[in-house]
Amino acid sequence: NAGVIQTPRHKVTGKGQEATLWCEPISGHSAVFWYRQTIVQGLEFLTYFRNQAPIDDSGMPKERFSAQMPNQSHSTLKIQSTQPQDSAVYLCASSLGGSSYEQYFGPGTRLTVL
Amino acid sequence: AQSVTQPDARVTVSEGASLQLRCKYSSSVTPYLFWYVQYPRQGLQLLLKYYSGDPVVQGVNGFEAEFSKSNSSFHLRKASVHWSDSAVYFCGAQGTGSKLSFGKGAKLTVSP
Repeated sequence: NAGVIQTPRHKVTGKGQEATLWCEPISGHSAVFWYRQTIVQGLEFLTYFRNQAPIDDSGMPKERFSAQMPNQSHSTLKIQSTQPQDSAVYLCASSLGGSSYEQYFGPGTRLTVL
Repeated sequence: AQSVTQPDARVTVSEGASLQLRCKYSSSVTPYLFWYVQYPRQGLQLLLKYYSGDPVVQGVNGFEAEFSKSNSSFHLRKASVHWSDSAVYFCGAQGTGSKLSFGKGAKLTVSP
């Protein structure tokens, strides 16, 4: 089992450019979560899919951020017009689904916006 | 909604000494509780979890945690730390929804 795969591991963008982050969940897991990690804010929940359907996006910034899960094998987090404050490590996690299953995390994508 | 507090941001212990990392949660219902560890440039790895039952749960690498409903706490312990335990430890809580709320983390340094 390869675990949760996130690509790229590092991404550098210029201010105003678009960034797309990819996540491949563990095979057989039906739930995918996105979190953001910064020194100041710590770990923050962004959004959650189950069986590819968006369930909870309460942590997503209202503008410029979007997430999709077009099939069971991957999810994307897209940030339009990136700003320096978007610099963070973006972590993806997957689980078997439901609240009684632990989440397994990927290594994260470190996004740096210059 | 729940919140998690880890009062000790940095902890230093000597190799072979015992360890306790504190975690307190605030929630209208008892959440599921987790401890994760994060090594440099890696994601979070699950150490242990508590859903219900025996308040003392065992995890990997000799870690254990004790749940206390009366104190709203879920403290992590290890009897004898090793230099390889140096990492950042996060306490997490999962309420009626599925998202995890995390504390700010505790950076553990094990000195020789």
